[in-house]
Amino acid sequence: GDSVTQMEGPVTLSEEAFLTINCTYTATGYPSLFWYVQYPGEGLQLLLKATKADDKGSNKGFEATYRKETTSFHLEKGSVQVSDSAVYFCALIYNNNDMRFGAGTRLTVKP
Amino acid sequence: GAGVSQSPSNKVTEKGKDVELRCDPISGHTALYWYRQSLGQGLEFLIYFQGNSAPDKSGLPSDRFSAERTGGSVSTLTIQRTQQEDSAVYLCASSFSGTRTDTQYFGPGTRLTVL
Repeated sequence: GDSVTQMEGPVTLSEEAFLTINCTYTATGYPSLFWYVQYPGEGLQLLLKATKADDKGSNKGFEATYRKETTSFHLEKGSVQVSDSAVYFCALIYNNNDMRFGAGTRLTVKP
Repeated sequence: GAGVSQSPSNKVTEKGKDVELRCDPISGHTALYWYRQSLGQGLEFLIYFQGNSAPDKSGLPSDRFSAERTGGSVSTLTIQRTQQEDSAVYLCASSFSGTRTDTQYFGPGTRLTVL
């Protein structure tokens, strides 16, 4: 079935470091891909999304490009801040309109 | 506007009791989803409502779990004869049309603890 595999954490970076969180997917067709973020004590929020191949989603300095050839949707940010500390979830929607999530990657950014 | 709201925010119950969890979706959203977030299983889909169509119950883990959506708006997730493994955060989400390109907006969740 459709599924998402994302890089396991936790990830600890210093402020202003470059961030990559890998995400690959398995689907029989072309799903929509999402990154959600969960800040400490808060609910899930959409960070960005891409709905077709080669689309790039971006928000708050984060970017991810829908790569059909590598079935990937890696999350990147050029310079992380302490306030980016959160758990990041890669997700897809394809067949049944329910969202399939990766296991989540906890990011801690130290000053 | 108002986001997705859920109540209660926390629920502690004893094993074997029934619980009801409520979700108020964003006004005008036709699709409503329930998910469960637990340490061992991550985020799992439970059930999906779209308009007046029959719900997709394919994610419900057992027949102790059921959900209703009244009037195309508010939804209630019921867990009968709760077990300790039901302890988790139950998340509700809604989207405008329920298509695969639609963003799902999540509520803050209900943390259920079964003693």
